[in-house]
Amino acid sequence: DAGVIQSPRHEVTEMGQEVTLRCKPISGHNSLFWYRQTMMRGLELLIYFNNNVPIDDSGMPEDRFSAKMPNASFSTLKIQPSEPRDSAVYFCASKGLAGARQFFGPGTRLTVL
Amino acid sequence: GIQVEQSPPDLILQEGANSTLRCNFSDSVNNLQWFHQNPWGQLINLFYIPSGTKQNGRLSATTVATERYSLLYISSSQTTDSGVYFCAVELRNRDDKIIFGKGTRLHILP
Repeated sequence: DAGVIQSPRHEVTEMGQEVTLRCKPISGHNSLFWYRQTMMRGLELLIYFNNNVPIDDSGMPEDRFSAKMPNASFSTLKIQPSEPRDSAVYFCASKGLAGARQFFGPGTRLTVL
Repeated sequence: GIQVEQSPPDLILQEGANSTLRCNFSDSVNNLQWFHQNPWGQLINLFYIPSGTKQNGRLSATTVATERYSLLYISSSQTTDSGVYFCAVELRNRDDKIIFGKGTRLHILP
């Protein structure tokens, strides 16, 4: 198995632009998580899905952030418009049934100028 | 909400030394995992350990669920063990929500 796949690995954009991050979970996993990691805040859970349904988006910082999971093999995290304070590493992770191990993708390093 | 506290926050050791990292959590959990984030940022799942003890080479972990803590042991440290170690708990009755501690930053000196 290829593991959790994220794209792009690096993204540099200008303030005000739309940014879309993509994630392909491990085949057969039914839970998908989006995290943000910064030096100041550490690893924060933004949103997670079970069976493609958003369960808890209380970690999404504001309305500029949105996430979708149209099917079991694909999810997007969108920031519109982006701001410099959104600069961070964004991780996607997936896991199987309740109690299973969680596996992380390599992350997307986002820089907003 | 549940509190996940890791200690110590930072640890500097000489190569070959042993270390013990601790994770305390404030509520009942479905399971607990330990992760290692290497200096390149990659997060690796080390253990899935809701209770009991597991060993994988020089690493072992013990979770005492009734007392709400887990320990990660690293023996004969190597420089490749450097990085941040995270404890993460899956909340009971919360649809698989996973909460991470702030991590222990470990630096192994050659």
